[in-house]
Amino acid sequence: GNSVTQMEGPVTLSEEAFLTINCTYTATGYPSLFWYVQYPGEGLQLLLKATKADDKGSNKGFEATYRKETTSFHLEKGSVQVSDSAVYFCALSDYRDDKIIFGKGTRLHILP
Amino acid sequence: GAVVSQHPSRVICKSGTSVKIECRSLDFQATTMFWYRQFPKQSLMLMATSNEGSKATYEQGVEKDKFLINHASLTLSTLTVTSAHPEDSSFYICSATPASGGRWEQFFGPGTRLTVL
Repeated sequence: GNSVTQMEGPVTLSEEAFLTINCTYTATGYPSLFWYVQYPGEGLQLLLKATKADDKGSNKGFEATYRKETTSFHLEKGSVQVSDSAVYFCALSDYRDDKIIFGKGTRLHILP
Repeated sequence: GAVVSQHPSRVICKSGTSVKIECRSLDFQATTMFWYRQFPKQSLMLMATSNEGSKATYEQGVEKDKFLINHASLTLSTLTVTSAHPEDSSFYICSATPASGGRWEQFFGPGTRLTVL
């Protein structure tokens, strides 16, 4: 079945550091890929998405590229801020149903 | 943007009692709502999918008689945990898909922390 694996946290970085959170997936078809972010005390929010191979999703300085050959969708940001501290979830959705499969989440701490 | 609310945000109850959690889409009509359960340091696990006016579809391993879901209108779904026990303590999250949106487009509520004593 479909699944998502992402790096375990917590990840702790200093402000302005470069961020990478790795995500790989297993899927039988051609899924859409997502990154969600959960700020403390809030619900999950869609951060970015990519619906086909080689698509790059981007938002708020974050980027992720749909790599079919490596089945990966790594999240990157060139210069993180304290306000980026949150839990990040990689996820996929198969076009055949409405379900979203989530990774376990990666907690990110940014130090000032 | 689309907003989904949940009520209550936290609830503590005694073992054996029932607890109802509400999920509302505040500014859009939701044809489909989803209920998830999140354990500490674990991913969100889909419990069930509900469509307005029809019976919920439960994921394998989820007891439908224990987790009653009602989706009576296009803006409200409720999850009732019946005869709750300590092992039901968890973080419950709902999401909603707009009638006009894509199938993958889910907006999430802030979650409800249930603690069963």
